[in-house]
Amino acid sequence: EAQVTQNPRYLITVTGKKLTVTCSQNMNHEYMSWYRQDPGLGLRQIYYSMNVEVTDKGDVPEGYKVSRKEKRNFPLILESPSPNQTSLYFCASSLYRVDSPLHFGNGTRLTVT
Amino acid sequence: GENVEQHPSTLSVQEGDSAVIKCTYSDSASNYFPWYKQELGKRPQLIIDIRSNVGEKKDQRIAVTLNKTAKHFSLHITETQPEDSAVYFCALRESSSASKIIFGSGTRLSIRP
Repeated sequence: EAQVTQNPRYLITVTGKKLTVTCSQNMNHEYMSWYRQDPGLGLRQIYYSMNVEVTDKGDVPEGYKVSRKEKRNFPLILESPSPNQTSLYFCASSLYRVDSPLHFGNGTRLTVT
Repeated sequence: GENVEQHPSTLSVQEGDSAVIKCTYSDSASNYFPWYKQELGKRPQLIIDIRSNVGEKKDQRIAVTLNKTAKHFSLHITETQPEDSAVYFCALRESSSASKIIFGSGTRLSIRP
């Protein structure tokens, strides 16, 4: 089954403790992206990647890192999480084409205390 | 950069009536406009999309219209049903590259029985 898999689904952590949210897709998509969803703000892009070893900042990249060592994986790294990073995070992928829709993972709800 | 404004932020309609959600954008060169539906606790999923060379597209009870001159596109849901209750997001992919996908802030649609 074609899908985007995110883990974990829920995560509670404390300020400053490094964490990684994993994302993997099995559709051979070139493009992958991370979004955060906050009430009233819609989906805001954190980072995206057009292909292996090619990443770029989205609209809200501060406090986040990503890597794209393999085509299928695109982990999101929070080196020193802070409470303002409490949010719902979605990974998504698509073909690298202007008219290609995004396929989303199930989301990761992160709480930083 | 590109901006997408979505209205209304909340919408309540009687079951069986129609619902219309509108998005306006600023980049006249944008040429791909998808709509996503997010049910409570779930991931956003594509429900319909339209390319800039098409003025209208229909899929059963859902339609999308695009007015490139006025730079707005709208989602129309006819004969609404309880399962249409969800948050709807419009989006567009920047024309300068296929890299940035920008979302509207979302519309929470409620269907009254």
